[in-house]
Amino acid sequence: RKEVEQDPGPFNVPEGATVAFNCTYSNSASQSFFWYRQDCRKEPKLLMSVYSSGNEDGRFTAQLNRASQYISLLIRDSKLSDSATYLCVVNIQENTGFQKLVFGTGTRLLVSP
Amino acid sequence: GAGVSQSPRYKVAKRGQDVALRCDPISGHVSLFWYQQALGQGPEFLTYFQNEAQLDKSGLPSDRFFAERPEGSVSTLKIQRTQQEDSAVYLCASSGTGTSFDEQFFGPGTRLTVL
Repeated sequence: RKEVEQDPGPFNVPEGATVAFNCTYSNSASQSFFWYRQDCRKEPKLLMSVYSSGNEDGRFTAQLNRASQYISLLIRDSKLSDSATYLCVVNIQENTGFQKLVFGTGTRLLVSP
Repeated sequence: GAGVSQSPRYKVAKRGQDVALRCDPISGHVSLFWYQQALGQGPEFLTYFQNEAQLDKSGLPSDRFFAERPEGSVSTLKIQRTQQEDSAVYLCASSGTGTSFDEQFFGPGTRLTVL
């Protein structure tokens, strides 16, 4: 089983739509969770961290469900500029004690006029 | 201020050639990470430096891959005897602290194509 799993999409939605992505992770000891955004042929950039209590940043809402080990990202009122790949990221602690980030394959979103 | 920079942006190598990829992190950042991103996949961890110390290299796919950061700033990822399966985008990221909880800032990547 992959450490972080996402539906690769693409999700095709019209402008103004609400869209939600889910992500599951396998390591129950994970403590930090993030959503990164990656535009085509560009580097990933942090979109938002995901907190246990859930958090919102404008049109974006992130939720964490530790019991079910999944993370979600909700985008309201989609804009054309939201078209990108959304990477779910989880920190994993290795036996050495080092914590590294593990990225999902990403979910591609296409917002059309 | 300047972000993370990488060079070259594109590299084409013949199978069997050695390549060296450079990363200039954000000035003062303690942590530096290298990732490999294949087409249609997310970035995969290769190695991590805290200052000049390479604290984790568990993600390096083979002993043909070697990374260094001798002065705790610029880092070089070297791939010896390149193979076609090494074709990917190599991303470098830096963060201000020595943990993975901090935001990682990525460079634009080096797109390596091995013929």
